Amino acid sequence: EAGVAQSPRYKIIEKRQSVAFWCNPISGHATLYWYQQILGQGPKLLIQFQNNGVVDDSQLPKDRFSAERLKGVDSTLKIQPAKLEDSAVYLCASSPPFGYTFGSGTRLTVV
Amino acid sequence: AQKITQTQPGMFVQEKEAVTLDCTYDTSDPSYGLFWYKQPSSGEMIFLIYQGSYDQQNATEGRYSLNFQKARKSANLVISASQLGDSAMYFCAMSDPLNTGFQKLVFGTGTRLLVSP
Repeated sequence: EAGVAQSPRYKIIEKRQSVAFWCNPISGHATLYWYQQILGQGPKLLIQFQNNGVVDDSQLPKDRFSAERLKGVDSTLKIQPAKLEDSAVYLCASSPPFGYTFGSGTRLTVV
Repeated sequence: AQKITQTQPGMFVQEKEAVTLDCTYDTSDPSYGLFWYKQPSSGEMIFLIYQGSYDQQNATEGRYSLNFQKARKSANLVISASQLGDSAMYFCAMSDPLNTGFQKLVFGTGTRLLVSP
């Protein structure tokens, strides 16, 4: 079984630029999550999808972050414009009814 | 609101010894799940062990066991016979109430474990 794929692996951008991350979950997994992990902290949920519908986006900074999951499969997370405090690892995870699998993450550095 | 507390920023252990990583949690829900994840320097989150709030016995997975004390709201991870490859960050996490069908995880701040030869 292929794992959760994320790209790019690393990204460096200047503040006020935009950036997008891509996640392809495990085939058949209905639930997809995006987490933000700031250095020295545990991951924090940004958004949760069930198929292509949003279940929870209460901690997503909607003025600059957006996410979509077209056709209930892969997903993109966008930041526009980026701030210095957005520097973090962005982890994607997927699950069937139960059991998480995380991707390797995208490490974003905003300079 | 759910909260996970890991009070040990770092732990040191010698190879082949056992080590306990502490985790306390706070929730008002009667049904929940508790997880431990390992995060090596490469960044991926590796699932180690799970304990459901209604499970009668402590969970075990190979060298990992979870010391679940419900009354104290603690879910400590015990690693027996430590190996050099166990050096990593370890996160305790709690899921949404089990009856919601959803599994948002709330993580602690982590404990960095260093295993020395």
